[in-house]
Amino acid sequence: DAMVIQNPRYQVTQFGKPVTLSCSQTLNHNVMYWYQQKSSQAPKLLFHYYDKDFNNEADTPDNFQSRRPNTSFCFLDIRSPGLGDAAMYLCATSTWDRASSYEQYFGPGTRLTVT
Amino acid sequence: SQQGEEDPQALSIQEGENATMNCSYKTSINNLQWYRQNSGRGLVHLILIRSNEREKHSGRLRVTLDTSKKSSSLLITASRAADTASYFCATDARNNRLAFGKGNQVVVIP
Repeated sequence: DAMVIQNPRYQVTQFGKPVTLSCSQTLNHNVMYWYQQKSSQAPKLLFHYYDKDFNNEADTPDNFQSRRPNTSFCFLDIRSPGLGDAAMYLCATSTWDRASSYEQYFGPGTRLTVT
Repeated sequence: SQQGEEDPQALSIQEGENATMNCSYKTSINNLQWYRQNSGRGLVHLILIRSNEREKHSGRLRVTLDTSKKSSSLLITASRAADTASYFCATDARNNRLAFGKGNQVVVIP
């Protein structure tokens, strides 16, 4: 089945130690998104790629970076995790064209714990 | 920015009853989408309603959109225990970037 896969499902990192979360998709969608979701809150968009074009949200901290080496994969890098970065990180994909917009398909998420 | 605002925040109902959630937003939109999230999992798309549509159905789900009032509602009919989840509305302002509301926690009691 076509899907969005996130690895790992659970990640524990130490304060200040760089961490990378990964997302892959078999849907061949041209847009990939990264969201941060803290407990009992709405998902917050960090950035997205439209094909290879990177689009950062204005309030996304510089501590968060992303890479999309090809259509299928997208990575979220947190350069120096702080305690406030503990959250669920959700990857999503979508088709998009100028004529319309479409639903997003989410992965199961990676729960990040910072110790 | 978070545009959608769901109301009420938490809802507890008996199995078989209907559940209604509301969502309001502030700016013009291309479409509005509803998602479900089970505890600790990713979001699942439920339904998308475009700005030129007023009502849409999908199985036991009914969504309405009133662009003049900038509001939407999600009705789940004949609820089941498996409907227990958080429900989010999200607005798309023509650039495929979704702004999610705070979410409704729905508990269906068997």
